[in-house]
Amino acid sequence: EAQVTQNPRYLITVTGKKLTVTCSQNMNHEYMSWYRQDPGLGLRQIYYSMNVEVTDKGDVPEGYKVSRKEKRNFPLILESPSPNQTSLYFCASSPGGIAYEQYFGPGTRLTVT
Amino acid sequence: ILNVEQSPQSLHVQEGDSTNFTCSFPSSNFYALHWYRWETAKSPEALFVMTLNGDEKKKGRISATLNTKEGYSYLYIKGSQPEDSATYLCAFIVRGNRDDKIIFGKGTRLHILP
Repeated sequence: EAQVTQNPRYLITVTGKKLTVTCSQNMNHEYMSWYRQDPGLGLRQIYYSMNVEVTDKGDVPEGYKVSRKEKRNFPLILESPSPNQTSLYFCASSPGGIAYEQYFGPGTRLTVT
Repeated sequence: ILNVEQSPQSLHVQEGDSTNFTCSFPSSNFYALHWYRWETAKSPEALFVMTLNGDEKKKGRISATLNTKEGYSYLYIKGSQPEDSATYLCAFIVRGNRDDKIIFGKGTRLHILP
C-alpha cells in the first residue's frame, strides 16, 4: 500500500530534550516536506527536500533540522525542543515537487512541557 | 505577505443539500491550487490539483472551479452526505525566484446535519 508513515504518533517531552520524528514514504517520491498545524492557523511548511541531500527552509524553520540521506526517509529533528514547538506535525511527499498533490502522513502530536 | 483566505470558516448544512465555499488567493505568480479534504483524526487527502484559469474538476459529487485572474476557487458539494463532514483546505502554490512556495488557508469546517 502506497503510504507515508510517521513515528511516533504522539509524544510528550520536556524542554531541551532532543527528539527525532521519523518520516518514510514508499512511493519513490522525490519531494518531501514537513508541516506544522497550530490552532487558528493554516498548515505551515517547516522544511522541504527536492531530492536526496537537497533540503531547504520553509516558512518556519527555526528550532528544527532535517536530513535526507535516502530518498524514502526525511526525519525531523528538534535539537532543543521548547514549549512553542508544541504542535501537530505532518510529513508529506509528492512525486514531482510542491505543485503536485501532497500525500500526507498520519501526523505526530507533540507536546513540549 | 502572501495570504490565502477561505470562507466561511465553518458551515452547517442539512443532509441532501448542496453547498459551496471559497478560497481566495493572490492573483500574481500563480502556479497551482490544491484542495484537500481533512477528516477528524486523519490526515489531509488531495481532492484536486488545478493549474489553468477556467479549470473545472469533478470527483463524484464534489467539483471545483478556478479563476486565476481574479484569484479565487470555489468548491461545490452536491447532495451533501454525512461522510462529507470534514475540513476542506485549499493551498496556493506561488512561483518563487528560486523555489516555489505553498501557502495553506485555514480551512472551511463543514458539518452535515442528519
